[in-house]
Amino acid sequence: DTAVSQTPKYLVTQMGNDKSIKCEQNLGHDTMYWYKQDSKKFLKIMFSYNNKELIINETVPNRFSPKSPDKAHLNLHINSLELGDSAVYFCASSQVPNEQYFGPGTRLTVT
Amino acid sequence: AQSVTQLGSHVSVSEGALVLLRCNYSSSVPPYLFWYVQYPNQGLQLLLKYTSAATLVKGINGFEAEFKKSETSFHLTKPSAHMSDAAEYFCAVNIEAGGGADGLTFGKGTHLIIQP
Repeated sequence: DTAVSQTPKYLVTQMGNDKSIKCEQNLGHDTMYWYKQDSKKFLKIMFSYNNKELIINETVPNRFSPKSPDKAHLNLHINSLELGDSAVYFCASSQVPNEQYFGPGTRLTVT
Repeated sequence: AQSVTQLGSHVSVSEGALVLLRCNYSSSVPPYLFWYVQYPNQGLQLLLKYTSAATLVKGINGFEAEFKKSETSFHLTKPSAHMSDAAEYFCAVNIEAGGGADGLTFGKGTHLIIQP
């Protein structure tokens, strides 16, 4: 069984489009996260949710909007995509303060 | 604010040789520290973690790390490198976010190359 899953794995789209990435965890964890990994492999946290409540909201353009319909899901919606949004986006979950379990990533390419 | 510095963006060792990947942290509170490994085109896998118990932490695949408060270090070692160890390695420290949702601050990563 996959612990943290993301869909889609690859996403290629044009500038200006709106897209969503979905994340699901079956570990029963209370907390979920979104991280962005840039082309130099630098990882930076974007958001964290605890029991569907937004806790961390780093300096991220408001074109990015996370949504947590329930504890097991955390989706990321991106409006008006820009070239600079091209990256790998990772979802993760944890039972704070323990280790985080990462999904396989979604490679977003904006053309 | 917590931060992590990984010395050496690339480290090359021969197969069978000692692996040493360096990590120094900065934290205003006792930290939780982690090492993750990322294989090409994959997600991150936890190697080991320090959460204020034993200072010498053993992880998967023969890796271990030692927490040294006086040196603010958490270096990763493996006695004998294997070709399958070639990957990107990340050191991370927890963010004291409160609200029960600590994220991680990552170092910039070290690319480990294993020479045959």
